[in-house]
Amino acid sequence: EAAVTQSPRSKVAVTGGKVTLSCHQTNNHDYMYWYRQDTGHGLRLIHYSYVADSTEKGDIPDGYKASRPSQENFSLILELASLSQTAVYFCASSGTGDSDYTFGSGTRLLVI
Amino acid sequence: SQWGEENLQALSIQEGEDVTMNCSYKTYTTVVHWYRQDSGRGPALIILIRSNEREKRSGRLRATLDTSSQSSSLSITAAQCEDTAVYFCATDRGYKVVFGSGTRLLVSP
Repeated sequence: EAAVTQSPRSKVAVTGGKVTLSCHQTNNHDYMYWYRQDTGHGLRLIHYSYVADSTEKGDIPDGYKASRPSQENFSLILELASLSQTAVYFCASSGTGDSDYTFGSGTRLLVI
Repeated sequence: SQWGEENLQALSIQEGEDVTMNCSYKTYTTVVHWYRQDSGRGPALIILIRSNEREKRSGRLRATLDTSSQSSSLSITAAQCEDTAVYFCATDRGYKVVFGSGTRLLVSP
């Protein structure tokens, strides 16, 4: 079954440390996305990619980097984690059809 | 912001009631997505309505889209407890989906 899998499911990180969130999709989709969701709010786009080895900035890219080493894998990197980056992070993939959007189950990140 | 309201709205109804959730958007779009998010899960697309479809139905769900007023609605007929979730509307911006703040729906028995 086609899917988007995120790891880890949850993580506690120390302020100033490096955090890497991983996403793997088996949908054969070209597009992949990273969103963040804060409690009581909607999802905001951080970075996205439409082809391997290329990433694009979303609406809130500051403090985040992304890496797309292959069609299937997309990582979100926090080089210097900050308290304000505590949130739930969702990865998604999509194809060329507008109904192809598929989300992972999320990674809950707590920065202390 | 894409949307007029930033905070999650909350609705609480009894099982069997009908409910309508509304969204308005600021920039032009040709399609509105409606997603459902269950606790601890990622959003899942439940209905999609395009600009040439003023109304779209799927089971007990009904979505409307009014491009002149830049608004969309999602109605659930005879809500059931399992409809309890957060519902988001979202618009397409190229290959990016922009989400509204959502509505937390609680359906009680």
